[in-house]
Amino acid sequence: SQQGEEDPQALSIQEGENATMNCSYKTSINNLQWYRQNSGRGLVHLILIRSNEREKHSGRLRVTLDTSKKSSSLLITASRAADTASYFCATVPYDSWGKFQFGAGTQVVVTP
Amino acid sequence: DAGVTQSPTHLIKTRGQQVTLRCSPKSGHDTVSWYQQALGQGPQFIFQYYEEEERQRGNFPDRFSGHQFPNYSSELNVNALLLGDSALYLCASSPQQMNTEAFFGQGTRLTVV
Repeated sequence: SQQGEEDPQALSIQEGENATMNCSYKTSINNLQWYRQNSGRGLVHLILIRSNEREKHSGRLRVTLDTSKKSSSLLITASRAADTASYFCATVPYDSWGKFQFGAGTQVVVTP
Repeated sequence: DAGVTQSPTHLIKTRGQQVTLRCSPKSGHDTVSWYQQALGQGPQFIFQYYEEEERQRGNFPDRFSGHQFPNYSSELNVNALLLGDSALYLCASSPQQMNTEAFFGQGTRLTVV
C-alpha cells in the first residue's frame, strides 16, 4: 500500500488563483518531499521539508508539515498555466533513506 | 551537469521477453533507486543500489533484478515480461546521505504486448 495519500485527487483552477493540496502519511518520517510530473514524464523536485521543520517557502511554493497529524500541504500561489501537472508527495521513512513512498498524486489543471 | 539520464526513452517488448533499462546518475551521486509507475498511479519503489550492491528492495518479484557499475550507473532487468509490467520506469539518484533530495530521470516507457 502507498504511504502518502494526496487530496484532492484532481483540482481545476484559473490562472492567478491559489492551489492547495494535502498529503497524509502513516509512519514516522525523516523528511517529506514534493514533486511535479508533467504528462507522465520524469519527476521534478520542488521542495524538501525535514521532520523538524514546520514550514518552508520556495518562490511561489509554500509547504507545511504537521508531524503530529502526519500531514503536509503544498500551496502554489498565483498559479500559471505552466503549473498544470500532477503533484506527488514522497515520504522518506525514518529508518530507510531513499525508499520513497508516493501517493497517487493530485492532478492540477490551470486554465488561462 | 546532465542530471539523471535514462535510456531508452520508449520500448515495446513481447510478453515473455527480457528487457534491460539503463540509468546514469547525476554527477556526484552514488546511490541509484528504481521505481515503477503504472498509469494513473504514483511511483512504486523497486530497489536501491549503493556500492554496487542492492541495499533495499520493494515488493517486487525476483523477475526484477539490477546491477550497479563502478561508475555508479545502473541497469534494471526484467525477465519473463508480463502485460502488467507495462509502465513508466523511473530512476532516481542521490548521495548516500540523509535529508537530501533525490533527482529523477525522464523515465523509460515500457509497453509489453
